[in-house]
Amino acid sequence: KQEVTQIPAALSVPEGENLVLNCSFTDSAIYNLQWFRQDPGKGLTSLLLIQSSQREQTSGRLNASLDKSSGRSTLYIAASQPGDSATYLCAVNQAGTALIFGKGTTLSVSS
Amino acid sequence: GAGVSQSPSNKVTEKGKDVELRCDPISGHTALYWYRQSLGQGLEFLIYFQGNSAPDKSGLPSDRFSAERTGGSVSTLTIQRTQQEDSAVYLCASSYRQGGSSGANVLTFGAGSRLTVL
Repeated sequence: KQEVTQIPAALSVPEGENLVLNCSFTDSAIYNLQWFRQDPGKGLTSLLLIQSSQREQTSGRLNASLDKSSGRSTLYIAASQPGDSATYLCAVNQAGTALIFGKGTTLSVSS
Repeated sequence: GAGVSQSPSNKVTEKGKDVELRCDPISGHTALYWYRQSLGQGLEFLIYFQGNSAPDKSGLPSDRFSAERTGGSVSTLTIQRTQQEDSAVYLCASSYRQGGSSGANVLTFGAGSRLTVL
């Protein structure tokens, strides 16, 4: 059974810092991995999707990497801003199931 | 519509009552999912629909939970005889289709329905 783990559960950084969020999964037979952002009281917004054949995806200050064989993905946020404060969730997509989510990392960026 | 629409956004009910939560997916999306997010927990898969195929109900926590999707579009999640542990945010998502190694399975989520059972 696939399990997705995110470390750390919470992270506080000052504005301007670069940071890395970690996601690991136990079954490497995935189609793709997605990173989502969730603001308090809101739904999820898809940030990046990495196909199983890809190593990384970039969008603005965000860069997500995927090492499928080792069951790891990282989300790198450059030059963090207070507006980046949110919960970040990773989810894996594999055959025969809906997306399986980690519990998220809650990020707080102080000005 | 432009996005996934869920209603009601907030629902407070008494223990033992039935509730219905509605999801209106993006037009043309054939896959529709329901997830539950409890305080401090991750997203828990409940059920998904893919086109005219039989839904995957493997995540429903008990027989008090059921869902239907009419005409391949709007979906209703029904919780009968609600219990306090049912209190959570219920999220709906849709995509062009489920699974597969393509961008067609990128999920778009609604804002959720927050259920509070007193």
